[in-house]
Amino acid sequence: AQTVTQSQPEMSVQEAETVTLSCTYDTSESDYYLFWYKQPPSRQMILVIRQEAYKQQNATENRFSVNFQKAAKSFSLKISDSQLGDAAMYFCAYRSAGDMRFGAGTRLTVKP
Amino acid sequence: EPEVTQTPSHQVTQMGQEVILRCVPISNHLYFYWYRQILGQKVEFLVSFYNNEISEKSEIFDDQFSVERPDGSNFTLKIRSTKLEDSAMYFCASVKGFSYEQYFGPGTRLTVT
Repeated sequence: AQTVTQSQPEMSVQEAETVTLSCTYDTSESDYYLFWYKQPPSRQMILVIRQEAYKQQNATENRFSVNFQKAAKSFSLKISDSQLGDAAMYFCAYRSAGDMRFGAGTRLTVKP
Repeated sequence: EPEVTQTPSHQVTQMGQEVILRCVPISNHLYFYWYRQILGQKVEFLVSFYNNEISEKSEIFDDQFSVERPDGSNFTLKIRSTKLEDSAMYFCASVKGFSYEQYFGPGTRLTVT
């Protein structure tokens, strides 16, 4: 079974600084997709960034980028120039043929 | 931009009662999902639905749960006899196809008293 592990329950970053959130996953599939979702206090699930496993190039989306290490099954999220609005729960997710599997989440606090 | 909608935003019900949570997926999407998030915990998969039938379900999705797409637009989750532990946020999601990300609705907060 596919599992997604986020080893950092909580992280903190100073405004304008950079923070990296870790995620590892376990799968025997070769074709899959990885995602980072942001969940603010409203509890809406907002897609931050996605990565296709067949692509070697790391995905970037403005201040958000990933470090995808397929062999190591690692998929970390880097947030540059952190803003107060980035404070939220961040969930790493894996999707292969069907449903999406989520990690336990990392709560990110941004200090002014 | 099209979005997934869910109603109601908050439902309070008594233990043993039936509830129906409603979702309107994005119109050209083909796959539909229900997820559950107990407060403070991770998002858990419940069921996926494609071509008018369940394609996959988790161990959480027991006989108390059912899904339906009665009219080609709404996608519903029914809990037949609610238990206290069913209290959670329920998210609906839809996706155009396999290679696309899932779009989540805003969720329905279910409180069972």
